[in-house]
Amino acid sequence: DAGVIQSPRHEVTEMGQEVTLRCKPISGHDYLFWYRQTMMRGLELLIYFNNNVPIDDSGMPEDRFSAKMPNASFSTLKIQPSEPRDSAVYFCASSSSMGRGETQYFGPGTRLLVL
Amino acid sequence: AQTVTQSQPEMSVQEAETVTLSCTYDTSESDYYLFWYKQPPSRQMILVIRQEAYKQQNATENRFSVNFQKAAKSFSLKISDSQLGDAAMYFCAYRSASNTGNQFYFGTGTSLTVIP
Repeated sequence: DAGVIQSPRHEVTEMGQEVTLRCKPISGHDYLFWYRQTMMRGLELLIYFNNNVPIDDSGMPEDRFSAKMPNASFSTLKIQPSEPRDSAVYFCASSSSMGRGETQYFGPGTRLLVL
Repeated sequence: AQTVTQSQPEMSVQEAETVTLSCTYDTSESDYYLFWYKQPPSRQMILVIRQEAYKQQNATENRFSVNFQKAAKSFSLKISDSQLGDAAMYFCAYRSASNTGNQFYFGTGTSLTVIP
């Protein structure tokens, strides 16, 4: 299995620009999570989906952030407009509800720098 | 919500020695799972070990083992024969075993330095 795939791996943009981060979960996994990691705040859960439906988006910082999962194999996290404080590493992770104790598998992350 | 606490922001260990990283958690549930993840400088989050709360036996994966104290809500990670490649950030995580409990709760991490 290819694991969780994220793109791009690095993104540098200017304040005010739209940023779209992409994620392909592991095939067969029905949960998908978006996290943000910064030095100041650590690892934060932004939103997670079950069977393509958003379950909890309470971690989404503000209306500038939006996430979609149009199908079981693809999700996007969009920031519009971006701000320097959005600079962070964004992780996508997926897991399965089958079995017991199934762990979350993380993608390699997208390093976002907003100038 | 459940909370996971890692009280050691930084730890160091001599190569080939043993180190223990601490983790405590707060929950009212009786059935759950606990995990340790490793995050090296590459930033990739890698599962190190996991423990099922209903199992009394401590999980072991090669040089990595845990000391799971359910009553004390403690879940420490022991790394034996430390290697330079063990240098990383280590995160403790909790997950409920309930049908709706797929959300993970992470601690703030412990940065481990391995001294040659």
